[in-house]
Amino acid sequence: GAVVSQHPSWVICKSGTSVKIECRSLDFQATTMFWYRQFPKQSLMLMATSNEGSKATYEQGVEKDKFLINHASLTLSTLTVTSAHPEDSSFYICSAPLGRQINSPLHFGNGTRLTVT
Amino acid sequence: QKEVEQNSGPLSVPEGAIASLNCTYSDRGSQSFFWYRQYSGKSPELIMFIYSNGDKEDGRFTAQLNKASQYVSLLIRDSQPSDSATYLCAVTAIYNQGGKLIFGQGTELSVKP
Repeated sequence: GAVVSQHPSWVICKSGTSVKIECRSLDFQATTMFWYRQFPKQSLMLMATSNEGSKATYEQGVEKDKFLINHASLTLSTLTVTSAHPEDSSFYICSAPLGRQINSPLHFGNGTRLTVT
Repeated sequence: QKEVEQNSGPLSVPEGAIASLNCTYSDRGSQSFFWYRQYSGKSPELIMFIYSNGDKEDGRFTAQLNKASQYVSLLIRDSQPSDSATYLCAVTAIYNQGGKLIFGQGTELSVKP
């Protein structure tokens, strides 16, 4: 069964509105979660590292004020796309390491397909 | 140079054949290597991971790692049409950086019945 749950699986919103995506680790605690974005026919690009109880670490070129990340508990991280624009339409996927070791494989949620009209 | 490079394909093999997927990486400090399978419209799922030089086998899948050549591969034996997907190679960022993974662009595999 799924070890990382992501919700919603798809969302359509109007330009200028905000969208919140939730990522939950099931039956395990995740002090760190990772948010990726994938455009059609492209690979996964890491957006940010979500850290429980502290600020997220954003990759170069990712606007932290546009993509708000909150990791308020050991099992929940949220990504809010603020003032969404059509170019933000993409497949957003969260992931979490299943083990405590730093080399633990990442397990991915089912992803959220965002369409901004 | 991209950090993780894969041949984008598509790679086409007949059913029952061996599919060979290759990946090179640029950072010598990388310690952990992963193969994910991604079906169209779905999120990636973990196939294999390998940390040490050599081969690691799991069912029909074999991962091979050569750190000196900065090369990692995935062999799929007895390929099935259900193996048709994009295969993503992922490498931990240098000095781990908290466990984040850098992905290659993926190789599209097509297994023909």
